[in-house]
Amino acid sequence: GAGVSQTPSNKVTEKGKYVELRCDPISGHTALYWYRQSLGQGPEFLIYFQGTGAADDSGLPNDRFFAVRPEGSVSTLKIQRTERGDSAVYLCASSRTSGSLHEQFFGPGTRLTVL
Amino acid sequence: QQQVKQSPQSLIVQKGGISIINCAYENTAFDYFPWYQQFPGKGPALLIAIRPDVSEKKEGRFTISFNKSAKQFSLHIMDSQPGDSATYFCAATPGLVGSEKLVFGKGTKLTVNP
Repeated sequence: GAGVSQTPSNKVTEKGKYVELRCDPISGHTALYWYRQSLGQGPEFLIYFQGTGAADDSGLPNDRFFAVRPEGSVSTLKIQRTERGDSAVYLCASSRTSGSLHEQFFGPGTRLTVL
Repeated sequence: QQQVKQSPQSLIVQKGGISIINCAYENTAFDYFPWYQQFPGKGPALLIAIRPDVSEKKEGRFTISFNKSAKQFSLHIMDSQPGDSATYFCAATPGLVGSEKLVFGKGTKLTVNP
């Protein structure tokens, strides 16, 4: 079956603009995660959804970042007033359900560049 | 605060050799330790994982060694192949319901020369 898909694959924006990044998880996966990967670094956790609710948003760096998953499937990561430091690859992952026994499957990421 | 420290940053190995990547962690609540492999332009993919109740896990050419008392674990790639050239990340998670986030190391770029 299809894996995790993310759109767009690349996004170039100007400082101060608003962007939305979309994640389509594997069908039937109830858990969804967002991570951010800066150049030469490992992915850093942003937020985790179990179903429609954000179970853990402790990784969101500030209130410019927000994510939703209104129907428990597709999720959108929203970044307001983008800054150059937001430039990174944003990764989405999903797993069949919660718990470490369930592998997190990652999408290819959205490369965000803020000019 | 970096909770998972990974070394080396880069590694060059000849085809057929053994690649060894090391990780150390601080949080004793971690109880699940996966290794991910990432190719350029792709997302990380799970390679192999271990829980702390065993000291070693082997899957094909890939082996994780785990030392709970030292809070260290390592990935060994036997008979390394050019196709293994990728970036490898160790990770850890408490595995508790509601706290499933993965904490990653900074990665090791492995190059296997033919």
